[in-house]
Amino acid sequence: EAQVTQNPRYLITVTGKKLTVTCSQNMNHEYMSWYRQDPGLGLRQIYYSMNVEVTDKGDVPEGYKVSRKEKRNFPLILESPSPNQTSLYFCASSLLPSPENIQYFGAGTRLSVL
Amino acid sequence: GNSVTQMEGPVTLSEEAFLTINCTYTATGYPSLFWYVQYPGEGLQLLLKATKADDKGSNKGFEATYRKETTSFHLEKGSVQVSDSAVYFCALWEGTSYGKLTFGQGTILTVHP
Repeated sequence: EAQVTQNPRYLITVTGKKLTVTCSQNMNHEYMSWYRQDPGLGLRQIYYSMNVEVTDKGDVPEGYKVSRKEKRNFPLILESPSPNQTSLYFCASSLLPSPENIQYFGAGTRLSVL
Repeated sequence: GNSVTQMEGPVTLSEEAFLTINCTYTATGYPSLFWYVQYPGEGLQLLLKATKADDKGSNKGFEATYRKETTSFHLEKGSVQVSDSAVYFCALWEGTSYGKLTFGQGTILTVHP
C-alpha cells in the first residue's frame, strides 16, 4: 500500500528542546516536502527536496532544518523549538514535482511547544 | 506571488443538499488547480484536479471547472452525504514553484442527517 508515514503523530515539548519529526515514503518518490497547517492560513511549505542530498527552502523555513540522506526519508528538525512553531505538520511526496503526479500526504504531526 | 482564496466557512448542510465551495486564485503563469479533502484525523487526499482552462475535474460526485476568465475553480456536488463532512482545500501548482502547492485557507463542511 502506498504510504507516507510520519512519526510521532502527537508531540508536546518545551521551548528549546531539540526534536525531530520523521517522514518515510514507500513509493520510491523523488520529491518530498514539509508543510505546516495553521488555522485560517491553509498549508504553507517549509522545505522541499528534489532528490537525495538536494533540499531547498519553501515559504516558511525559519527555525527548521531538513536532510535527505536516503530517498525514502525526509526528517524535519527543530533545533530550538519556540511556541510559534506550535502547528500541524504534514509531509508529502510525489514521483516528480509535476501536476501530473499525485502528491501523497502523511496523516500529520500535531506539535505543541510550551 | 500566487494565492488562493476560498469562501469563508464553516459550511453546514443537510444531507442531499447542493454544495458549492467557492475558490478563486491569483497566479503569474498558467497553474494547475486542485481540490484536496482532509477527513478528521487524516492527511490530505487529492479529490480532483484540472490542468488547463475549461477542464472539468470530477470524482466521487464532486466537480470543478477551471475558469480562466474568472480565475475560479468552484467545487460543487449535487447531493451531499454525512460522509462528505471534512475540510476542503483548494490549491494551485504553478510551473516555476518546484512542486509547491499554494493552498487556500480551507473550508470546513459539516453535513447533518
